[in-house]
Amino acid sequence: AQSVAQPEDQVNVAEGNPLTVKCTYSVSGNPYLFWYVQYPNRGLQFLLKYITGDNLVKGSYGFEAEFNKSQTSFHLKKPSALVSDSALYFCAVRVLNRDDKIIFGKGTRLHILP
Amino acid sequence: NAGVTQTPKFQVLKTGQSMTLQCAQDMNHEYMSWYRQDPGMGLRLIHYSVGAGITDQGEVPNGYNVSRSTTEDFPLRLLSAAPSQTSVYFCASRPRRGQSEQFFGPGTRLTVL
Repeated sequence: AQSVAQPEDQVNVAEGNPLTVKCTYSVSGNPYLFWYVQYPNRGLQFLLKYITGDNLVKGSYGFEAEFNKSQTSFHLKKPSALVSDSALYFCAVRVLNRDDKIIFGKGTRLHILP
Repeated sequence: NAGVTQTPKFQVLKTGQSMTLQCAQDMNHEYMSWYRQDPGMGLRLIHYSVGAGITDQGEVPNGYNVSRSTTEDFPLRLLSAAPSQTSVYFCASRPRRGQSEQFFGPGTRLTVL
């Protein structure tokens, strides 16, 4: 079955430290991978995506993500966390089959401590 | 462009009442989806549509109906609301082909008493 896993419900990081939010996936074929962010009482905002090519993709607000095909992972990273990065982060995968659905992980709440 | 719009923003229903959550997009996207967001459950796909006149069930379709008479609109109907349908509902759209991400509406917070 196609699935996306975000193993951490919450991640706490001190401001200025690097952050990583983990995501692994299980799909057949070569998926499209996405990260979204949700601020309180808001909709989801697109951060970045991996389609093909360079395994390190850069996105909005200084975020980047590393695609690792052998580990089927797509971890979100940022070199230096800001308090304003505190939000709920979702990993998603587009399954390239007849249904062409986008499946989301359960989300990871990121707390940046001042 | 307004993007993806949803109405209402908030709604309180009594058990057994019916209502329609509206969703519209002005980007000429063929693919539209409805998700519900519950704490600890992430986003779960309710129904989706790959174009006008075509709809299909997602992961949690029970209790919900959809129709897609135009490219722009994708309403979600609750025929007989239940407390288990208390949730935040998001509509999303994207082009059917290509590598685009999904675009989300601001959400509707629904409470069923």
